[in-house]
Amino acid sequence: QKEVEQNSGPLSVPEGAIASLNCTYSDRVSQSFFWYRQYSGKSPELIMSIYSNGDKEDGRFTAQLNKASQYVSLLIRDSQPSDSATYLCAADSGGYNKLIFGAGTRLAVHP
Amino acid sequence: DAGVIQSPRHEVTEMGQEVTLRCKPISGHDYLFWYRQTMMRGLELLIYFNNNVPIDDSGMPEDRFSAKMPNASFSTLKIQPSEPRDSAVYFCASSSSGNSYEQYFGPGTRLTVT
Repeated sequence: QKEVEQNSGPLSVPEGAIASLNCTYSDRVSQSFFWYRQYSGKSPELIMSIYSNGDKEDGRFTAQLNKASQYVSLLIRDSQPSDSATYLCAADSGGYNKLIFGAGTRLAVHP
Repeated sequence: DAGVIQSPRHEVTEMGQEVTLRCKPISGHDYLFWYRQTMMRGLELLIYFNNNVPIDDSGMPEDRFSAKMPNASFSTLKIQPSEPRDSAVYFCASSSSGNSYEQYFGPGTRLTVT
């Protein structure tokens, strides 16, 4: 059974701090990894994708991938209350063009 | 460009009724996915299509659920007969081959079966 594991949270951080979201995956064949943001009552929105080991930065977001440890993370710098949402981690299922989603981590950024 | 379009946005029906959910994928995308999301089970993949052909329907919960994709711009998910446990948000997503599995979600249909 291929799985993506995330801490459900809530992760509570003060405004302006760095929020660190983590994810592990079980299938070593997975090559593509994604972070989706989902506001309450809305659909998942793709915010980051990462395919190679190391860091990928996009604005305040940095995705990190370590394939040896089967670990993916998302860092949000200068967290804002508008970042409060559930963040879903997803990994490809090894060549079948479908994604395996984690249960999501709820992030709360308080002023 | 328009994103994934779903209709209706909300559906309230009585147990035993037929429900049809509709999806229009992003133009040019050749993969279409149907998901269901509940608090208890999270986001579950029900079925997906490639070039209008069903590839994997292992997530379809039972025979009451069926999905079709008659052409590249339209898909339906049908539940007949509906049951209260089918209450959930149903999302449609699409992606393009060669875009490294990036999926884009529609706004969802919130289904309530009473």
